[in-house]
Amino acid sequence: DAMVIQNPRYQVTQFGKPVTLSCSQTLNHNVMYWYQQKSSQAPKLLFHYYDKDFNNEADTPDNFQSRRPNTSFCFLDIRSPGLGDAAMYLCATSTRKYGTDTQYFGPGTRLTVL
Amino acid sequence: DQQVKQNSPSLSVQEGRISILNCDYTNSMFDYFLWYKKYPAEGPTFLISISSIKDKNEDGRFTVFLNKSAKHLSLHIVPSQPGDSAVYFCAARSGGGADGLTFGKGTHLIIQP
Repeated sequence: DAMVIQNPRYQVTQFGKPVTLSCSQTLNHNVMYWYQQKSSQAPKLLFHYYDKDFNNEADTPDNFQSRRPNTSFCFLDIRSPGLGDAAMYLCATSTRKYGTDTQYFGPGTRLTVL
Repeated sequence: DQQVKQNSPSLSVQEGRISILNCDYTNSMFDYFLWYKKYPAEGPTFLISISSIKDKNEDGRFTVFLNKSAKHLSLHIVPSQPGDSAVYFCAARSGGGADGLTFGKGTHLIIQP
C-alpha cells in the first residue's frame, strides 16, 4: 500500500545532542511537510518542501533544519535539542492540486529529550 | 494567537445519535477546510473537506457545514458508531495547494454504547 513512513516511531535523545528524524513516502507526492505537535496542542507546521524548494515558516527556530535528498525521503534535523523540543513530529505529503489538495500523514515520531 | 479554534476538548455522544463537532476560525484568507481523524499511536487521517465556495459537503455518514459569515464550520456524524471514537482535528488552508495546514487543538469524541 502507498503510504507515509516515519522512523523511528520513538526517539530518545539527550539535551543538546543532535538528532535526525526520517520520513519516506511511496505516494510519489511532490510536497512534503514537517509538523510539530506538543501535548494537547495543535500540530504546527515547521516547514515544507515543494519538490526541491524549501519553505520555512517564519517562526520555526533555527535549531530545526530539513533535508530532502530525493522525492521519496525527507529528514528533520534538530541540531541542539532542548527540553522544549520534546513532542510528536508528524510528516505529511501532498500533491499540488489546488482545491483538491489533501495531506497524508505518517504515524509520527515521538521525541523525548532527557 | 490561534487562527483555528476547537473550543470543546472532548465530547461524549451515545451510539446511534448525532455527533456535532465545531470549529471556528479567524483568518478570512482561509479558503479550504479539512477534518482529520486521529486514533492513538497513528497519524491523522483525512476525513472530509470543504471549499470556501460551498456551504455543505457530504460523504456517507459525515457532513461538513461551512458558515463563512460566522467563520464557523461543523462536522456532523450520523449515526455515531463506536469506531468513531477518536480525536478530530479541524484544519484550514489559504492560498495554493502546496501550503501547509493550520490546525485546531482537536476534540476527543467518545461514543458511548
